[in-house]
Amino acid sequence: QQQVKQSPQSLIVQKGGISIINCAYENTAFDYFPWYQQFPGKGPALLIAIRPDVSEKKEGRFTISFNKSAKQFSLHIMDSQPGDSATYFCAASNGCIIQGAQKLVFGQGTRLTINP
Amino acid sequence: DTGVSQNPRHKITKRGQNVTFRCDPISEHNRLYWYRQTLGQGPEFLTYFQNEAQLEKSRLLSDRFSAERPKGSFSTLEIQRTEQGDSAMYLCASRSPGGAVSVEQYFGPGTRLTVT
Repeated sequence: QQQVKQSPQSLIVQKGGISIINCAYENTAFDYFPWYQQFPGKGPALLIAIRPDVSEKKEGRFTISFNKSAKQFSLHIMDSQPGDSATYFCAASNGCIIQGAQKLVFGQGTRLTINP
Repeated sequence: DTGVSQNPRHKITKRGQNVTFRCDPISEHNRLYWYRQTLGQGPEFLTYFQNEAQLEKSRLLSDRFSAERPKGSFSTLEIQRTEQGDSAMYLCASRSPGGAVSVEQYFGPGTRLTVT
């Protein structure tokens, strides 16, 4: 019930291409879905997040697509650049509930490499 | 720098020794989280504080682990009698008191623990 499954484990994309990372969750109580970017030796940095009341959210080159019925969401990176090479984690929490920790449950991560 | 800070950044210790890590959250963030991240995996929730109260602990947090946040500001995580399996990155995150509106968690750079 608490799992978030992420795929692929690794991804290689040419510069200028579209990078797509997918996640699926089981717990229907989840209502907050962030994506984090992590560089080696650094902590995760919040990239973009979505609530289930919308099907898509776009911020610059980054877009989250959300399919509530399928319990799936994905990150699209348009015009991928070598500087986007990092590990990306999807996560989920029941963020709208005021009581409780609203702890994040993370996927296993995707190592993205953008070839110049 | 107004982000989450963690000290030390790296710690190498021998099996059986005690270690303590410190986290300073973003100013005025009353919610603080500890996560553990092993190599190639996503972060896993350890414990959560709201102000000085420790409100939730994961089953991952064995009796050898203890966390405190005595004045509702910085937090410490202590591991007693370290084992090689404790080797990991220990991440701290903080979140504003915005209830269901501001749910974003911001991570520090982490403390990399190596137990030899």
